[in-house]
Amino acid sequence: AQKVTQAQTEISVVEKEDVTLDCVYETRDTTYYLFWYKQPPSGELVFLIRRNSFDEQNEISGRYSWNFQKSTSSFNFTITASQVVDSAVYFCALKGGSNYQLIWGAGTKLIIKP
Amino acid sequence: GAGVSQSPRYKVTKRGQDVALRCDPISGHVSLYWYRQALGQGPEFLTYFNYEAQQDKSGLPNDRFSAERPEGSISTLTIQRTEQRDSAMYRCASSSIFGGGTDTQYFGPGTRLTVL
Repeated sequence: AQKVTQAQTEISVVEKEDVTLDCVYETRDTTYYLFWYKQPPSGELVFLIRRNSFDEQNEISGRYSWNFQKSTSSFNFTITASQVVDSAVYFCALKGGSNYQLIWGAGTKLIIKP
Repeated sequence: GAGVSQSPRYKVTKRGQDVALRCDPISGHVSLYWYRQALGQGPEFLTYFNYEAQQDKSGLPNDRFSAERPEGSISTLTIQRTEQRDSAMYRCASSSIFGGGTDTQYFGPGTRLTVL
């Protein structure tokens, strides 16, 4: 069975603080893909990143960085120097190599206070 | 178009009425997915198409729900005899290659359905 756990229901920080969103996954597939999506207050789902299970390099994109650790089945997302515009619900999702369904976590609501 | 579009963005209907939700995927995308998202939860898979062929409809809750994609582009999700429990955000996504493997699903803005 596949499962994604985002244990943090809601996080609130003051602008310019760094914040890390946790994602822990379960899968028996040897090849799989992990995703992060952002859902701002306007409601759309915006793709942020895809990580393949065979590529454990961490990735940085501006203020965003992702830490993929197969040993702990985690794919955490860090925002550096957070901004009010980062306020959103962030979803982590998993897809097995031969599957097409995305398995979603429950989401973490991130509140950035000015 | 530039992204996935869905219409209507908001739909309010009375219990027992039929509704049709439309999805226009990114041009050239061969795979199309429907999800349903309840408030405070992640999306839940409903069904999936490769071109015009419905590959999997196992996520459709019951036989009141159906979907089609007759020409391999625009898709319609139809809910017959709506019930209050059908109220949710209905999301459509498309991807550029056959589902499975390395495809990334890009989502539309969703249709917020409210059944009174």
